[in-house]
Amino acid sequence: AQSVTQLGSHVSVSEGALVLLRCNYSSSVPPYLFWYVQYPNQGLQLLLKYTTGATLVKGINGFEAEFKKSETSFHLTKPSAHMSDAAEYFCAVSRTGGGNKLTFGTGTQLKVEL
Amino acid sequence: DAGVIQSPRHEVTEMGQEVTLRCKPISGHDYLFWYRQTMMRGLELLIYFNNNVPIDDSGMPEDRFSAKMPNASFSTLKIQPSEPRDSAVYFCASSRDRGRGNQPQHFGDGTRLSIL
Repeated sequence: AQSVTQLGSHVSVSEGALVLLRCNYSSSVPPYLFWYVQYPNQGLQLLLKYTTGATLVKGINGFEAEFKKSETSFHLTKPSAHMSDAAEYFCAVSRTGGGNKLTFGTGTQLKVEL
Repeated sequence: DAGVIQSPRHEVTEMGQEVTLRCKPISGHDYLFWYRQTMMRGLELLIYFNNNVPIDDSGMPEDRFSAKMPNASFSTLKIQPSEPRDSAVYFCASSRDRGRGNQPQHFGDGTRLSIL
Protein backbone atom coordinates (compact mmCIF):
# COMPACT_ATOMS: atom_id res chain seq x y z
CA ALA A 1 0.00 0.00 0.00
CA GLN A 2 1.12 3.54 -0.69
CA SER A 3 0.21 6.83 0.88
CA VAL A 4 1.22 10.46 0.76
CA THR A 5 1.06 13.02 3.53
CA GLN A 6 1.23 16.72 2.80
CA LEU A 7 1.96 18.75 5.90
CA GLY A 8 0.03 22.00 5.99
CA SER A 9 -3.17 22.39 4.06
CA HIS A 10 -2.48 26.12 3.72
CA VAL A 11 0.88 27.84 3.34
CA SER A 12 1.35 31.58 3.05
CA VAL A 13 4.54 33.28 1.88
CA SER A 14 5.57 36.77 0.86
CA GLU A 15 6.40 37.50 -2.73
CA GLY A 16 10.11 36.85 -3.23
CA ALA A 17 10.36 34.49 -0.27
CA LEU A 18 11.29 30.82 -0.34
CA VAL A 19 8.48 28.38 -1.03
CA LEU A 20 8.64 25.04 0.79
CA LEU A 21 5.79 22.56 0.47
CA ARG A 22 6.22 19.32 2.35
CA CYS A 23 5.43 15.82 1.17
CA ASN A 24 6.18 12.52 2.88
CA TYR A 25 5.37 9.19 1.33
CA SER A 26 4.93 5.63 2.43
CA SER A 27 5.61 2.82 -0.01
CA SER A 28 6.67 -0.80 0.33
CA VAL A 29 8.51 -0.65 -2.99
CA PRO A 30 10.61 2.06 -4.65
CA PRO A 31 8.19 4.86 -5.40
CA TYR A 32 7.65 7.14 -8.33
CA LEU A 33 6.82 10.63 -7.08
CA PHE A 34 5.04 13.55 -8.69
CA TRP A 35 4.06 17.11 -7.93
CA TYR A 36 1.04 18.64 -9.62
CA VAL A 37 -0.31 22.19 -9.53
CA GLN A 38 -3.95 23.19 -9.88
CA TYR A 39 -4.93 26.75 -10.72
CA PRO A 40 -8.52 27.87 -10.13
CA ASN A 41 -11.03 26.31 -12.50
CA GLN A 42 -8.39 24.19 -14.17
CA GLY A 43 -7.21 20.60 -14.13
CA LEU A 44 -4.02 19.36 -12.50
CA GLN A 45 -0.81 20.15 -14.33
CA LEU A 46 2.41 18.19 -13.89
CA LEU A 47 5.16 20.25 -12.23
CA LEU A 48 7.83 17.59 -11.97
CA LYS A 49 8.42 13.90 -11.38
CA TYR A 50 10.97 11.58 -9.84
CA THR A 51 11.28 8.09 -11.27
CA THR A 52 14.92 7.02 -11.11
CA GLY A 53 18.34 8.62 -11.28
CA ALA A 54 19.14 12.08 -10.00
CA THR A 55 17.38 12.75 -6.73
CA LEU A 56 17.12 16.51 -7.30
CA VAL A 57 14.45 17.07 -9.90
CA LYS A 58 13.79 20.34 -11.67
CA GLY A 59 10.38 21.21 -12.96
CA ILE A 60 8.49 23.99 -14.64
CA ASN A 61 8.12 27.54 -13.33
CA GLY A 62 11.35 27.37 -11.30
CA PHE A 63 10.20 24.62 -8.94
CA GLU A 64 12.35 21.71 -7.85
CA ALA A 65 12.06 18.79 -5.46
CA GLU A 66 14.51 16.43 -3.84
CA PHE A 67 13.85 12.74 -3.27
CA LYS A 68 15.26 11.72 0.12
CA LYS A 69 14.82 8.01 0.67
CA SER A 70 16.16 8.11 4.23
CA GLU A 71 13.53 10.68 5.17
CA THR A 72 10.80 9.30 2.86
CA SER A 73 10.30 12.84 1.66
CA PHE A 74 9.82 14.69 -1.60
CA HIS A 75 9.51 18.34 -0.62
CA LEU A 76 8.80 20.99 -3.26
CA THR A 77 10.77 24.24 -3.24
CA LYS A 78 11.12 27.46 -5.17
CA PRO A 79 13.72 30.07 -4.21
CA SER A 80 11.54 33.11 -4.83
CA ALA A 81 7.75 33.11 -4.82
CA HIS A 82 5.77 35.00 -7.42
CA MET A 83 2.16 36.06 -7.21
CA SER A 84 1.38 33.71 -10.09
CA ASP A 85 2.45 30.73 -7.94
CA ALA A 86 -0.72 31.01 -5.87
CA ALA A 87 -2.50 27.71 -6.47
CA GLU A 88 -3.12 24.31 -4.93
CA TYR A 89 -0.28 21.80 -5.03
CA PHE A 90 -0.65 18.03 -4.90
CA CYS A 91 1.99 15.42 -4.19
CA ALA A 92 1.35 11.93 -5.60
CA VAL A 93 2.99 8.50 -5.59
CA SER A 94 2.82 5.48 -7.87
CA ARG A 95 4.84 2.29 -8.10
CA THR A 96 6.10 -0.36 -10.48
CA GLY A 97 3.27 -2.62 -11.51
CA GLY A 98 0.73 -0.13 -10.25
CA GLY A 99 -0.62 0.68 -13.68
CA ASN A 100 0.22 4.38 -13.49
CA LYS A 101 -2.37 4.67 -10.72
CA LEU A 102 -1.56 7.65 -8.53
CA THR A 103 -2.22 8.06 -4.84
CA PHE A 104 -2.63 11.78 -4.15
CA GLY A 105 -2.06 13.80 -1.03
CA THR A 106 -4.77 16.10 0.26
CA GLY A 107 -3.19 19.16 -1.30
CA THR A 108 -1.58 22.37 -0.04
CA GLN A 109 -3.07 25.74 -0.90
CA LEU A 110 -0.27 28.25 -1.48
CA LYS A 111 -1.02 31.91 -0.90
CA VAL A 112 1.48 34.55 -2.01
CA GLU A 113 1.22 37.96 -0.37
CA LEU A 114 2.71 41.28 -1.41
CA ASP B 1 -0.62 17.87 -29.33
CA ALA B 2 -4.14 18.27 -28.04
CA GLY B 3 -4.57 17.57 -24.36
CA VAL B 4 -7.32 15.63 -22.64
CA ILE B 5 -10.65 17.06 -23.74
CA GLN B 6 -13.68 16.96 -21.51
CA SER B 7 -17.23 18.02 -22.24
CA PRO B 8 -19.28 19.75 -21.16
CA ARG B 9 -17.26 22.20 -19.05
CA HIS B 10 -20.29 23.02 -16.95
CA GLU B 11 -23.50 21.11 -16.38
CA VAL B 12 -26.47 22.19 -14.31
CA THR B 13 -29.39 19.83 -14.06
CA GLU B 14 -32.18 18.84 -11.73
CA MET B 15 -32.14 15.96 -9.33
CA GLY B 16 -33.24 12.71 -10.91
CA GLN B 17 -31.97 13.54 -14.38
CA GLU B 18 -29.39 11.47 -16.21
CA VAL B 19 -25.99 13.11 -16.60
CA THR B 20 -23.34 12.06 -19.11
CA LEU B 21 -19.80 13.37 -18.94
CA ARG B 22 -17.46 12.83 -21.86
CA CYS B 23 -13.72 12.49 -22.23
CA LYS B 24 -11.32 12.25 -25.14
CA PRO B 25 -7.87 11.11 -23.95
CA ILE B 26 -4.58 12.06 -25.53
CA SER B 27 -3.95 10.01 -28.64
CA GLY B 28 -1.69 7.04 -27.95
CA HIS B 29 -2.39 6.94 -24.25
CA ASP B 30 -3.31 3.53 -22.85
CA TYR B 31 -4.73 4.47 -19.45
CA LEU B 32 -7.78 6.58 -18.71
CA PHE B 33 -8.80 7.72 -15.24
CA TRP B 34 -11.96 9.36 -13.89
CA TYR B 35 -11.73 11.47 -10.72
CA ARG B 36 -14.14 13.48 -8.62
CA GLN B 37 -13.06 16.55 -6.64
CA THR B 38 -15.01 18.16 -3.82
CA MET B 39 -14.06 20.45 -0.97
CA MET B 40 -15.10 17.85 1.60
CA ARG B 41 -13.50 14.75 0.09
CA GLY B 42 -10.70 16.16 -2.05
CA LEU B 43 -9.62 14.27 -5.16
CA GLU B 44 -11.09 10.76 -5.45
CA LEU B 45 -10.28 8.15 -8.09
CA LEU B 46 -13.53 6.69 -9.35
CA ILE B 47 -12.44 4.20 -12.01
CA TYR B 48 -9.63 3.60 -14.46
CA PHE B 49 -9.22 1.76 -17.75
CA ASN B 50 -6.27 0.14 -19.49
CA ASN B 51 -6.63 -0.45 -23.22
CA ASN B 52 -10.36 0.29 -22.91
CA VAL B 53 -10.88 -2.36 -20.21
CA PRO B 54 -11.98 -1.28 -16.71
CA ILE B 55 -9.28 -2.28 -14.24
CA ASP B 56 -10.47 -0.89 -10.93
CA ASP B 57 -13.91 0.56 -10.25
CA SER B 58 -13.73 0.35 -6.48
CA GLY B 59 -14.01 4.12 -6.22
CA MET B 60 -17.36 4.33 -7.95
CA PRO B 61 -19.65 5.52 -5.16
CA GLU B 62 -22.75 3.50 -6.01
CA ASP B 63 -24.68 1.80 -8.76
CA ARG B 64 -25.99 5.10 -10.02
CA PHE B 65 -22.54 5.69 -11.48
CA SER B 66 -21.31 3.87 -14.56
CA ALA B 67 -18.38 4.38 -16.94
CA LYS B 68 -17.62 3.04 -20.38
CA MET B 69 -14.78 3.22 -22.82
CA PRO B 70 -16.03 1.92 -26.17
CA ASN B 71 -12.80 2.78 -27.97
CA ALA B 72 -9.37 4.23 -27.37
CA SER B 73 -10.45 7.80 -28.02
CA PHE B 74 -13.63 8.14 -26.00
CA SER B 75 -15.00 7.50 -22.54
CA THR B 76 -18.19 8.41 -20.71
CA LEU B 77 -19.13 8.69 -17.07
CA LYS B 78 -22.86 8.46 -16.47
CA ILE B 79 -24.91 9.23 -13.39
CA GLN B 80 -28.48 8.01 -13.36
CA PRO B 81 -30.42 9.21 -11.45
CA SER B 82 -28.41 12.21 -10.30
CA GLU B 83 -28.59 13.58 -6.75
CA PRO B 84 -27.48 16.91 -5.24
CA ARG B 85 -24.61 15.18 -3.42
CA ASP B 86 -23.13 14.29 -6.82
CA SER B 87 -22.31 17.97 -7.35
CA ALA B 88 -18.53 18.17 -7.87
CA VAL B 89 -15.85 18.73 -10.44
CA TYR B 90 -15.19 15.57 -12.44
CA PHE B 91 -11.79 15.14 -14.07
CA CYS B 92 -10.58 12.78 -16.72
CA ALA B 93 -6.88 11.99 -17.07
CA SER B 94 -4.85 9.79 -19.37
CA SER B 95 -1.33 8.36 -19.47
CA ARG B 96 0.93 6.17 -21.56
CA ASP B 97 1.81 2.61 -20.61
CA ARG B 98 5.55 2.01 -20.49
CA GLY B 99 5.10 -1.06 -18.36
CA ARG B 100 6.63 0.43 -15.22
CA GLY B 101 3.95 2.59 -13.67
CA ASN B 102 6.10 5.71 -13.84
CA GLN B 103 4.27 7.70 -16.46
CA PRO B 104 2.53 10.92 -15.40
CA GLN B 105 -1.16 11.45 -15.84
CA HIS B 106 -2.39 14.32 -17.99
CA PHE B 107 -5.59 15.95 -16.81
CA GLY B 108 -8.44 17.62 -18.63
CA ASP B 109 -9.94 20.88 -17.40
CA GLY B 110 -12.84 19.09 -15.76
CA THR B 111 -16.62 19.21 -15.82
CA ARG B 112 -18.23 21.27 -13.08
CA LEU B 113 -21.48 19.49 -12.26
CA SER B 114 -24.27 21.06 -10.24
CA ILE B 115 -27.34 19.01 -9.34
CA LEU B 116 -30.23 21.15 -8.12
